[in-house]
Amino acid sequence: AQKITQTQPGMFVQEKEAVTLDCTYDTSDPSYGLFWYKQPSSGEMIFLIYQGSYDQQNATEGRYSLNFQKARKSANLVISASQLGDSAMYFCAMRDKIKDRDDKIIFGKGTRLHILP
Amino acid sequence: ETGVTQSPTHLIKTRGQQVTLRCSSQSGHNTVSWYQQALGQGPQFIFQYYREEENGRGNFPPRFSGLQFPNYSSELNVNALELDDSALYLCASSLAGFSGATGELFFGEGSRLTVL
Repeated sequence: AQKITQTQPGMFVQEKEAVTLDCTYDTSDPSYGLFWYKQPSSGEMIFLIYQGSYDQQNATEGRYSLNFQKARKSANLVISASQLGDSAMYFCAMRDKIKDRDDKIIFGKGTRLHILP
Repeated sequence: ETGVTQSPTHLIKTRGQQVTLRCSSQSGHNTVSWYQQALGQGPQFIFQYYREEENGRGNFPPRFSGLQFPNYSSELNVNALELDDSALYLCASSLAGFSGATGELFFGEGSRLTVL
């Protein structure tokens, strides 16, 4: 069964520094997709970045990049030049199949990121 | 800001009561999924509706039920509420179960349920 592990319950980072949020995963499927979501205090899950298992390059979206190490089954999120507005919960997630289609997401427990001024 | 709206945003119930949560999906999306997020945890998949039928279900008892309407909006019903049902309930909409590649799954801000 698919599993996502986030081992950092909380992190404190100085504004403008880069931060790496750890994520490891487990799956027996050769084809899979990995996501990172941001959840501010409002509760909404905001999609940040996606990495497909067959993608040749690490995904990047603005200040977000995904450090994908397939052999180690890790998919760490890197946020460059952190901002106060980056303070939130961050979830690593993976697609999981329903009825032979990729139709739901399983989430890790999350990492709470605090950006300090 | 996504087009997924949920109501109510907050509510308080007592054990044994029943609750109905509502979700309006993003325009053009025909699939709605519901997730339960307990405090300090990641969201857990409850079930998904596609074209008004349940398309898949997570590890939740039958007292969690749902509906999807012709306009693709959806309801989550929970009967015989228990204290452990206290959580943030998130609705997410997508197109055709997002069998595509990227994050075409859009979440609402959730309904926070407290069971006393």
